[in-house]
Amino acid sequence: AQSVTQLDSQVPVFEEAPVELRCNYSSSVSVYLFWYVQYPNQGLQLLLKYLSGSTLVKGINGFEAEFNKSQTSFHLRKPSVHISDTAEYFCAVSDRFGGTSYGKLTFGQGTILTVHP
Amino acid sequence: ETGVTQTPRHLVMGMTNKKSLKCEQHLGHNAMYWYKQSAKKPLELMFVYSLEERVENNSVPSRFSPECPNSSHLFLHLHTLQPEDSALYLCASSQEQGAPDGYTFGSGTRLTVV
Repeated sequence: AQSVTQLDSQVPVFEEAPVELRCNYSSSVSVYLFWYVQYPNQGLQLLLKYLSGSTLVKGINGFEAEFNKSQTSFHLRKPSVHISDTAEYFCAVSDRFGGTSYGKLTFGQGTILTVHP
Repeated sequence: ETGVTQTPRHLVMGMTNKKSLKCEQHLGHNAMYWYKQSAKKPLELMFVYSLEERVENNSVPSRFSPECPNSSHLFLHLHTLQPEDSALYLCASSQEQGAPDGYTFGSGTRLTVV
């Protein structure tokens, strides 16, 4: 079975500071990895995804994430945040073809990022 | 506009009421999903439909009844709900079940059971 752990439930930062949102996962098979963002009163929007290839993936709004297979991590980073980045961020995992959780996205509990002026 | 439209955006219903949530996508996707998002809990997958057939039912109580009449529409019929069913209900779609592109989500229906 898959599981996703987001290590911080809330992350407060000041505007223009760097930020890292941590995500660890467990799975018995190879996985696809995703980060989603949810703004207040909205659904989830895909930020970026890791499917294969380069372990550093870049997404929208200046975010990037690095897949570390040995540490089973997929941390999200941004070098300089803006007020508009205030939102809840979700890490998610899906088994590659053949896993028991194939086709199902399993989400972490979310991290609320609050950017202060 | 995300490509997945959910109606209504907000719904307040009594425990004896019957109501339905609607989800519509015009992305040409073949798989659709219902998720429940409660405060301080991870998103819970409720139902999965692939090519209009239900392929997953994650031990959801029978007071929730899904319907997928075609690949563009998904409903969640609600009856005799409990206050703990109050949550944000999210619909999502993907090209196919297991597609590596992830899901496209709607904006959700905020349900309050009184």
